[in-house]
Amino acid sequence: QSALTQPASVSGSPGQSITISCTGTNSDIGGYDYVSWYQQHAGQPPKLLIYDVTDRPSGVSARFSGSKSGNTASLTISGLQAEDEADYYCSSYRSSSTRYVFGTGTTVTVL
Amino acid sequence: QLQLQESGPGLVKPSETLSLNCSVSGVSITSDDYYWAWIRQPPGKGLEWIGSMYYSGSKFFNPSLKTRVTTSVDTSQNQISLKLTSVTAADTAVYYCARGSGPSGSGKTDNWGQGVLVTVSS
Repeated sequence: QSALTQPASVSGSPGQSITISCTGTNSDIGGYDYVSWYQQHAGQPPKLLIYDVTDRPSGVSARFSGSKSGNTASLTISGLQAEDEADYYCSSYRSSSTRYVFGTGTTVTVL
Repeated sequence: QLQLQESGPGLVKPSETLSLNCSVSGVSITSDDYYWAWIRQPPGKGLEWIGSMYYSGSKFFNPSLKTRVTTSVDTSQNQISLKLTSVTAADTAVYYCARGSGPSGSGKTDNWGQGVLVTVSS
């Protein structure tokens, strides 16, 4: 049960926008709108940023937005801030016995 | 305010059984609107789903761990439990319990415990 594919690292300067991709298959991202994104700071548990591809839980900044095209989901962070330095993980429902799969993770660096 | 707190031995010997509890406060675990999940993260690595369960009894497990995993719900203590048998060094990880909503115990995991590090070593 292979993980979803994310770039290992993405960087940007304060104020810029960056996008993190998450590539899967027709059995997960491409087939269902159950993509979530999580932010994890060092030593902390993951925090839900986006669910159901585009929805934000209350309290999550509008600088975080999600989208999907085909088998690839994306997380965009606008107005990059120093506090956005963290690891980011996507996840998706998968129509196999695996059911719940995470991405490989992306480290975001603010230059 | 929902809070989850994992507890259990921080050191387990190879071939033995890893046992963890997750105490849930602020909400009853008896609602089937949510699932309760175990997710782990080896040091310096990514997240791996272990399994999810609903109070009604439906359970879903990662196929790679299914033969070694048991989960249960204790309504008297408002807690969930995880047992992982025949552990090896590869099972060394931070283990998180979490609550979410979505199909078949996946997606929208919106509440996480702080996690507990379990090291497998003799």
